[in-house]
Amino acid sequence: AQKVTQAQTEISVVEKEDVTLDCVYETRDTTYYLFWYKQPPSGELVFLIRRNSFDEQNEISGRYSWNFQKSTSSFNFTITASQVVDSAVYFCALSEYNQGGKLIFGQGTELSVKP
Amino acid sequence: GAGVSQTPSNKVTEKGKYVELRCDPISGHTALYWYRQSLGQGPEFLIYFQGTGAADDSGLPNDRFFAVRPEGSVSTLKIQRTERGDSAVYLCASSRIGNEQFFGPGTRLTVL
Repeated sequence: AQKVTQAQTEISVVEKEDVTLDCVYETRDTTYYLFWYKQPPSGELVFLIRRNSFDEQNEISGRYSWNFQKSTSSFNFTITASQVVDSAVYFCALSEYNQGGKLIFGQGTELSVKP
Repeated sequence: GAGVSQTPSNKVTEKGKYVELRCDPISGHTALYWYRQSLGQGPEFLIYFQGTGAADDSGLPNDRFFAVRPEGSVSTLKIQRTERGDSAVYLCASSRIGNEQFFGPGTRLTVL
């Protein structure tokens, strides 16, 4: 069965701190995709990144970086030098190759960045 | 270009009534998905269309829920005999085959 677990319900940091959001997934498929989405207070989900199961290279995009480790079934997301505009709910999601792209989401982590 | 649009943005109805929620996907996206998000939860999959056909409707909670996409573009999610437990934000997403999904702003449904 597929499952995504985001154990951190809420995180609060002060601006300029680094913060890591954890994501652990379960799947029996060998081919799958992992995603992170951001949901700001406005409510619309914003796509951040997609990785496939065969690419374990870490990815960096500006202040954002992602660490994918198949050995621990984790796909963690780090924001460096956080800013108030990073405040949002962040969702990790899994899609299995033979499931037509449907996303299985975690419960989300609410990040609050205080000035 | 235009993103995914959903109408209405808010819908308040009474228990037992019928509602329709509309989704306009990004032009050229053949895949369309409906999800439901309850307060404090992640979105939950409802149904997926590839073109005009429902390729996977395993997430629909019961037979009061139905969705169509007759011309392979706009989709309508239909809920009969609404119940208070149906209150949630209904999200629509579209994508090109095999690519990431782009979400609309959602329709907030409140059943009184």
